Amino acid sequence: AQSVTQLDSHVSVSEGTPVLLRCNYSSSYSPSLFWYVQHPNKGLQLLLKYTSAATLVKGINGFEAEFKKSETSFHLTKPSAHMSDAAEYFCVVSDYGGATNKLIFGTGTLLAVQP
Amino acid sequence: EPEVTQTPSHQVTQMGQEVILRCVPISNHLYFYWYRQILGQKVEFLVSFYNNEISEKSEIFDDQFSVERPDGSNFTLKIRSTKLEDSAMYFCASKIGISANTGELFFGEGSRLTVL
Repeated sequence: AQSVTQLDSHVSVSEGTPVLLRCNYSSSYSPSLFWYVQHPNKGLQLLLKYTSAATLVKGINGFEAEFKKSETSFHLTKPSAHMSDAAEYFCVVSDYGGATNKLIFGTGTLLAVQP
Repeated sequence: EPEVTQTPSHQVTQMGQEVILRCVPISNHLYFYWYRQILGQKVEFLVSFYNNEISEKSEIFDDQFSVERPDGSNFTLKIRSTKLEDSAMYFCASKIGISANTGELFFGEGSRLTVL
């Protein structure tokens, strides 16, 4: 069965400093992995996805993630945090075992950005 | 930009009442989903729908839940007799194709259900 583990429930950074949100995955086969973001009172927005192409994936708003099979990790990074990055971030894996490739979500990491 | 829209944004109901949550998926999408997020917990898959029938459902999606696409545009989730533990944010989502490579899953902004 597929699963993802987000290692930090809360991360706080200062504006202009790097962001690192950690995610480890477990999968029986080559996974498709995603990062979604949820701003307060908003829906879930796709930041980026990995689907067995390049291991370094670039997403929107300057975020990127690197798929590391040896470490079973898919950490999300951004070189310089902006106040507008404050949100909840979900690491997600696609479950190919079912009929419709449903998504399996991690527990989320709440990112706070201090001025 | 096309988007998934959900109504209502927030509904408060009494335990035992029926609730219908409505969603308008993106018009050319073929796969439709409901997910829910109980406060403080992870987002969980409920059900997927394709070609006017349920494709897959989770253990959560018991006989109290049903989905339908009554008119070719709306996609509804009905809870027949709500329980306190049904209080959650319910997200509708839609997608063009089945593969992870055939487009992303677009989510609505959610409908918050509070059962008293």
